[in-house]
Amino acid sequence: GAVVSQHPSRVICKSGTSVKIECRSLDFQATTMFWYRQFPKQSLMLMATSNEGSKATYEQGVEKDKFLINHASLTLSTLTVTSAHPEDSSFYICSARLAGVRLAGGRGGTDTQYFGPGTRLTVL
Amino acid sequence: AQSVTQLGSHVSVSEGALVLLRCNYSSSVPPYLFWYVQYPNQGLQLLLKYTSAATLVKGINGFEAEFKKSETSFHLTKPSAHMSDAAEYFCAVRAAGNKLTFGGGTRVLVKP
Repeated sequence: GAVVSQHPSRVICKSGTSVKIECRSLDFQATTMFWYRQFPKQSLMLMATSNEGSKATYEQGVEKDKFLINHASLTLSTLTVTSAHPEDSSFYICSARLAGVRLAGGRGGTDTQYFGPGTRLTVL
Repeated sequence: AQSVTQLGSHVSVSEGALVLLRCNYSSSVPPYLFWYVQYPNQGLQLLLKYTSAATLVKGINGFEAEFKKSETSFHLTKPSAHMSDAAEYFCAVRAAGNKLTFGGGTRVLVKP
């Protein structure tokens, strides 16, 4: 259980074009999904939090007009890189939050993020 | 604010030897801690998590981690390394809004 898929796994595009990446939770519903970016040999950096039925919350320094996020259903979130440039080339990874047991104090209990396999974007 | 520090960006072990990956955390509240593994060109796979139950947590693939509050540590171990353990390992702490803050990662090389 708790499988997250991403599509496509690799994409190469020309500078100035837009690219859409899909993130799906296959066997659970996720009200919250997260989008990360990972540069070679580096850790993951959170870009934004995607909430079903509402606007995404972007981390500081992430351009919301460039990285459009749509969380249309409880199993699908999309990230669109608009007017892509070579510096946008990176490995994009999504995760979906599986709500766990609620604990006293309302601290989210055993919520766990399950990650997709990632999308390698290369902008020429 | 929560943060994690992984000591050692690279670890080299011989097949059959102990694997020890270090993670120290900083958190203003009791932390929820995670270890993930990433194989080349893949996403992250959850190894194990600490959610304030038992301090010794057993995960998949023979890995385990021990939460030590006095040392603010959550080190990952495996008694006997296998070639398939070669990967990148990330420690993470959950912050407000269910966000994860990751350490810098430790790349494990297993020598035959």
